[in-house]
Amino acid sequence: DQQVKQNSPSLSVQEGRISILNCDYTNSMFDYFLWYKKYPAEGPTFLISISSIKDKNEDGRFTVFLNKSAKHLSLHIVPSQPGDSAVYFCAAANYGGSQGNLIFGKGTKLSVKP
Amino acid sequence: DAGITQSPRHKVTETGTPVTLRCHQTENHRYMYWYRQDPGHGLRLIHYSYGVKDTDKGEVSDGYSVSRSKTEDFLLTLESATSSQTSVYFCAIKGQASNYGYTFGSGTRLTVV
Repeated sequence: DQQVKQNSPSLSVQEGRISILNCDYTNSMFDYFLWYKKYPAEGPTFLISISSIKDKNEDGRFTVFLNKSAKHLSLHIVPSQPGDSAVYFCAAANYGGSQGNLIFGKGTKLSVKP
Repeated sequence: DAGITQSPRHKVTETGTPVTLRCHQTENHRYMYWYRQDPGHGLRLIHYSYGVKDTDKGEVSDGYSVSRSKTEDFLLTLESATSSQTSVYFCAIKGQASNYGYTFGSGTRLTVV
């Protein structure tokens, strides 16, 4: 059973528009959420994170929103750029508990078209 | 940038042979992880370590073993490689950054034929 779900395998967006990547989770004990970006032939790199005590975190063009009641988070990229084309992984952890390992979703491949 | 290197970067091996992948860090971090990435499965945790000689299983540990005799090195061994272990393997370290994220290595692409 998947604890972190990214139901959209791919997303295509026009350059300059908003990209919205979605993630759902099932474990209510998760208290920290992260987004990673991965280019081909490279390791994933940290993008942005949010604690469960917040509902929004912003870093430049990237904003993560957390809706705890719906167990849903989303990553907004505004404006989208061709260099944002990559696979995006959502991850979650229960850092307050004994099991603090990151659990990842399956990823969403974002394509930003010029 | 955290110093984490994986070796080899690419390897082709035959079914039934043992294979060892190495992860080396220069940051003296306590926690180290091995993940595998497969299409349709994302990143799945194989094993992790929370100190020298302290390791534990992850989600997909069958067929894999690990060892950590030094803080800087975390080895992943496939005792008898199978085609289902063809994958890209990533090592990660958990640093002290406030974002609580992991830093990943560049990966090892393993093909079992």
